[in-house]
Amino acid sequence: AQKITQTQPGMFVQEKEAVTLDCTYDTSDPSYGLFWYKQPSSGEMIFLIYQGSYDQQNATEGRYSLNFQKARKSANLVISASQLGDSAMYFCAMKRGSGSRLTFGEGTQLTVNP
Amino acid sequence: GAGVSQSPSNKVTEKGKDVELRCDPISGHTALYWYRQRLGQGLEFLIYFQGNSAPDKSGLPSDRFSAERTGESVSTLTIQRTQQEDSAVYLCASSLVPAVGSEQYFGPGTRLTVT
Repeated sequence: AQKITQTQPGMFVQEKEAVTLDCTYDTSDPSYGLFWYKQPSSGEMIFLIYQGSYDQQNATEGRYSLNFQKARKSANLVISASQLGDSAMYFCAMKRGSGSRLTFGEGTQLTVNP
Repeated sequence: GAGVSQSPSNKVTEKGKDVELRCDPISGHTALYWYRQRLGQGLEFLIYFQGNSAPDKSGLPSDRFSAERTGESVSTLTIQRTQQEDSAVYLCASSLVPAVGSEQYFGPGTRLTVT
């Protein structure tokens, strides 16, 4: 069975600082994808970044980067230069194979302080 | 272009009544997913459609839950004889293709409250 673990229920960061949100996963499949989504208080799910299991380099998208450590089965999200608008719930998710569901972690509530 | 839309945005129903939730995916997206999100929790998979077929319906919690998709477009999730534990936000997502790296685009959700 596949499982996603986010061990930080809540995180606080000062505006303009960087923050790392932890995610570990468990799967025996060689082919999988890892996703991060942001969910503001409005409830929408916003895609942030994707990392494939065979990707050699860590994914980056603007201020978001993914610290992918395959041997440790971790896929931590790094947000650089935090902004007040980054305050939201962040979910790590995994997809195992074509067509399969996304399996989500429980999420981390990030609060950016001015 | 238009994103994924869902209706209604909110639904309050009495215990025991049936409800229908609708999802309009992005045009041309072949894969469609339903998820449920209980308050303060992560998303829980319900069912996956490829075209009009549902190759994975293993997440449906009971036989009170059913879903269909027609015209490789609109999908309806039906919950019969609703119970209070069905209260949640029901989210629909679509993706262009079902490939492992294909991003799922989410709708705004339907908030279901069973009284």
